[in-house]
Parts: sequence; structure tokens; C-alpha cells
Amino acid sequence: TQLLEQSPQFLSIQEGENLTVYCNSSSVFSSLQWYRQEPGEGPVLLVTVVTGGEVKKLKRLTFQFGDARKDSSLHITAAQTGDTGLYLCAGPVGLGTSYGKLTFGQGTILTVHP
Amino acid sequence: GAVVSQHPSWVICKSGTSVKIECRSLDFQATTMFWYRQFPKQSLMLMATSNEGSKATYEQGVEKDKFLINHASLTLSTLTVTSAHPEDSSFYICSAPTRSSGRAYNEQFFGPGTRLTVL
Repeated sequence: TQLLEQSPQFLSIQEGENLTVYCNSSSVFSSLQWYRQEPGEGPVLLVTVVTGGEVKKLKRLTFQFGDARKDSSLHITAAQTGDTGLYLCAGPVGLGTSYGKLTFGQGTILTVHP
Repeated sequence: GAVVSQHPSWVICKSGTSVKIECRSLDFQATTMFWYRQFPKQSLMLMATSNEGSKATYEQGVEKDKFLINHASLTLSTLTVTSAHPEDSSFYICSAPTRSSGRAYNEQFFGPGTRLTVL
């Protein structure tokens, strides 16, 4: 079973601070995805990382895929109150699968205070 | 990106009744859709995989007779919670994978979720 361990589970910070969320596994993933979910809504895809060592930036968000494709991180610079939400990492079940089934990390609840 | 809709967005029902939730892919075809359950401040828990033209595949511990899934067409999957009880109250979310041309991986698009409250 491919599991994703996400940390921290809760993060409460002040506006303007930086933060990093980690997503680790003992298994290799062909890709990893990061989602953001607001209360009462479905998750929204932020990014997919595919290549080991890949770094992708989305405005103040930086996503990194580990060289061995077993871990990923999400770094937010100068957090804003609008970044508040549940952040989820997810990866396809089975190396190289095209099936679409995902396994999710436990999620990180981020609260950014003004 | 692709759009997935769910209906209803919320429903309140009496214990013992059945509730049907629809999941539609609006601008793409989905031979496979997924149904998740989510408790407050927790991650998504996969319940079952809905397959167009064949039976759904249920995750371990999920009662298939309790949560009936029908993938009626390439754009519609339904989840029926039969004989609902208060412990079935939860946020139910569906998703559908799609692959953009030139990409070697699927992207998963989620519906907005359905809040079920069983009294």
C-alpha cells in the first residue's frame, strides 16, 4: 500500500510569515499533486509534479518533488489570509498507473491570521 | 480545467430514507469516477470507484449495499445512500480523472461536494 504522510497537520501563522508543508512516502510515485480545499467546497488542483527534483512556482507558492520521487513540499512565501484552507497532497496508486485512483495525505489545515 | 458538478449541494433527510447524489462531468467524458467521504477537518477517504458499464469497486470496509453506485453514462455517476442513519451524515465528494493531450498523467477534478445531514 502506498501511503503519504503529510505534516504538519495543523499550522496557524500570522500574515506575512513563510511556511512549508511536507508530504513524504516510503514509496516512489510517478507524480504527486497538491490540492487546496476551502470549507464546504471540493478540492482544487494547484499543481502536478512529475519529474524528480522538479520545482514549480505558482505566485507565492513553490512546489518541489524530491529527487527520488518519494516526497514533495509546498512552500508559501509571505502568507496571506486568503491562503487559509486545507492543503492535500495526493499521488496515483500504483507506479505508472493511468487509472486515476489517488491516495491522499492526511491534510494540513492552514490558518493565516491578519 | 475540466468541470465536475454535483447535485444536490446539500440535503437533509430523515433516518431510514434513501438519498441520491449525482456527479456529472460537464465538458469531458469520464469512464471512471470516484466517490469520497470527508469528515470535518480531515482528509478525503475513498469509498468506491464508479465504472461506466460495469460494477463499482468498493474500498475495504465500505458496504456496497449501503452505498449504491450507478455509472449510467460517460458523464453521470450516482451515489445512493440507502436507509440513511445519522452516522451517514458527512460531506460526499466525487471526482473524475482526465488526461490532457501530451501529458503522461491524469489530472483529477473534483465536484463541489454534497453535505448530507441525516436527522
